[in-house]
Amino acid sequence: GAVVSQHPSWVICKSGTSVKIECRSLDFQATTMFWYRQFPKQSLMLMATSNEGSKATYEQGVEKDKFLINHASLTLSTLTVTSAHPEDSSFYICSAFGGQGKAFFGQGTRLTVV
Amino acid sequence: GQQVMQIPQYQHVQEGEDFTTYCNSSTTLSNIQWYKQRPGGHPVFLIQLVKSGEVKKQKRLTFQFGEAKKNSSLHITATQTTDVGTYFCTQSGGYNKLIFGAGTRLAVHP
Repeated sequence: GAVVSQHPSWVICKSGTSVKIECRSLDFQATTMFWYRQFPKQSLMLMATSNEGSKATYEQGVEKDKFLINHASLTLSTLTVTSAHPEDSSFYICSAFGGQGKAFFGQGTRLTVV
Repeated sequence: GQQVMQIPQYQHVQEGEDFTTYCNSSTTLSNIQWYKQRPGGHPVFLIQLVKSGEVKKQKRLTFQFGEAKKNSSLHITATQTTDVGTYFCTQSGGYNKLIFGAGTRLAVHP
């Protein structure tokens, strides 16, 4: 099946710094990718839709200036958490559709802001 | 907006017992997908249901889509410890977006 690779798998950063998370589709092209956030023992909440070559579409309540999304190629989307604070600590997961309506997810990035 | 309700939130079973999780929507769904997320892992696609009344089986897993396309269920027969994880139903949110239900966390005790 299709493979989506996410990097890094975990990161610890200081409050006020920015963190970039990469999401790559390894064996297929993805004009659209999705970014989710998951708090412990909760469901996945869609943050934004990343569109290749154009601006991302953010879900209601998600600050676009805080969560910068760039989708510069058909195989790479990045999420940058700017000026991170402890409340941004979470599990961030990307996904892309790999055909037949199936969504494939990256391994996820566990972000801890200290 | 659209919302898929999923119950129960948590289920505790002995190995060998059956398990069922249910999804309900207030609106008609075009399709429903089920995903499994192991502890510490990422969601993995299980199945997509499209047709009214559809029933699909994958070994010990049976998936059903209601006649009105407003509800769905996942039934696991004779659970094993490898079934541990959270099972999510999802609905299409338009523009290929997937909206996740709350999930049902399954714990299986040997």
